[in-house]
Amino acid sequence: GESVGLHLPTLSVQEGDNSIINCAYSNSASDYFIWYKQESGKGPQFIIDIRSNMDKRQGQRVTVLLNKTVKHLSLQIAATQPGDSAVYFCAENSNRGGATNKLIFGTGTLLAVQP
Amino acid sequence: GAVVSQHPSRVICKSGTSVKIECRSLDFQATTMFWYRQFPKQSLMLMATSNEGSKATYEQGVEKDKFLINHASLTLSTLTVTSAHPEDSSFYICSARPPGGHTDTQYFGPGTRLTVL
Repeated sequence: GESVGLHLPTLSVQEGDNSIINCAYSNSASDYFIWYKQESGKGPQFIIDIRSNMDKRQGQRVTVLLNKTVKHLSLQIAATQPGDSAVYFCAENSNRGGATNKLIFGTGTLLAVQP
Repeated sequence: GAVVSQHPSRVICKSGTSVKIECRSLDFQATTMFWYRQFPKQSLMLMATSNEGSKATYEQGVEKDKFLINHASLTLSTLTVTSAHPEDSSFYICSARPPGGHTDTQYFGPGTRLTVL
């Protein structure tokens, strides 16, 4: 597959702290990015998205930052709660090989919130 | 809004049998649905793009005769794993893209855990 990881990077934070999850993408032509949250045994849940004509977008307790210069995406979660514990994936809208509107997923980051 | 369901949530079958997984968009019509598989502690791998009324588009390395996709209506796509073997055991997830608005956004179903004995 285009995105395969043998193990998940883990970010461990204390409850109430802010979390920052990072993602590097590879295709400079990608124009749309999404962050998903996946809890164990469940499908990915949409969190927030951003288009390439923006560099920041805020939601409820979450902020996505996009740096197109270095092809870097980050998800900031304010006041992290135990319910935020999950695997977080970034996804880019790929236009590779002429095929549009396919999402390519990053390897994922496991967020572990310590009470 | 944008709810996607899958059935069954879990299935255990014997090697050599075929298994059908359904993906439904509950509150919107989806001309395009996607099928992914996910191995433990790994990311989602796109298997195929399911287009209503036409043939599915398979990703490189995915056997179309092994993984049959039928997108018979604007709210239903099915994935049939034919002659399943233990190596087909995986978490299969579908997604659908609502019309209008951010047309690139995909909403995912809850997934189907397939175990082949």
